[in-house]
Amino acid sequence: GAVVSQHPSRVICKSGTSVKIECRSLDFQATTMFWYRQFPKQSLMLMATSNEGSKATYEQGVEKDKFLINHASLTLSTLTVTSAHPEDSSFYICSARDPTGPTDTQYFGPGTRLTVL
Amino acid sequence: DQQVKQNSPSLSVQEGRISILNCDYTNSMFDYFLWYKKYPAEGPTFLISISSIKDKNEDGRFTVFLNKSAKHLSLHIVPSQPGDSAVYFCAASKNTGTASKLTFGTGTRLQVTL
Repeated sequence: GAVVSQHPSRVICKSGTSVKIECRSLDFQATTMFWYRQFPKQSLMLMATSNEGSKATYEQGVEKDKFLINHASLTLSTLTVTSAHPEDSSFYICSARDPTGPTDTQYFGPGTRLTVL
Repeated sequence: DQQVKQNSPSLSVQEGRISILNCDYTNSMFDYFLWYKKYPAEGPTFLISISSIKDKNEDGRFTVFLNKSAKHLSLHIVPSQPGDSAVYFCAASKNTGTASKLTFGTGTRLQVTL
């Protein structure tokens, strides 16, 4: 199946700093990638849809100036958490849709655990 | 507003028996449904999907059933194996043919015992 990678897998940072998370589709080109956040024992919540070559579409309640998304190529999307605070600590997961695969099937990266001190 | 619900937070099944995980949805516009398996600190892994034009899809030990009138789907795993122990999420989308957004349920933790 399609492979999606994320880097880093785990990051600890001080409050006020910015953190960049990379999401890559390794064996397919993804025009659309998605960013999710999961709090402990809760469901995956969609944050934004990342479209290659255009601005990301953010879900209601997600601050676009705080969670900067860049989808510069067909295999890479980045999420930057700016001025991170402890409440941003969470598990961030990206996904990508393989356009050659089953309709609407998204393949997920392994996730990034962000801890803000 | 939780549009996709998994009312059983956990399920324990003996090895070799059938595991049945349930999912209900409220949005009648959903027309594509997926099941994902997730281990702690990992991303979800796609298991199986079903389009609303079907009522059953089978792949090896995994079968998904869709009852559109009841807005209900279920995942059957038979026979269950210890390696199946994980959290299972159902997800739904609308408007197939595009990179549609997925709406996830809250997950059911399956434990397969020896």
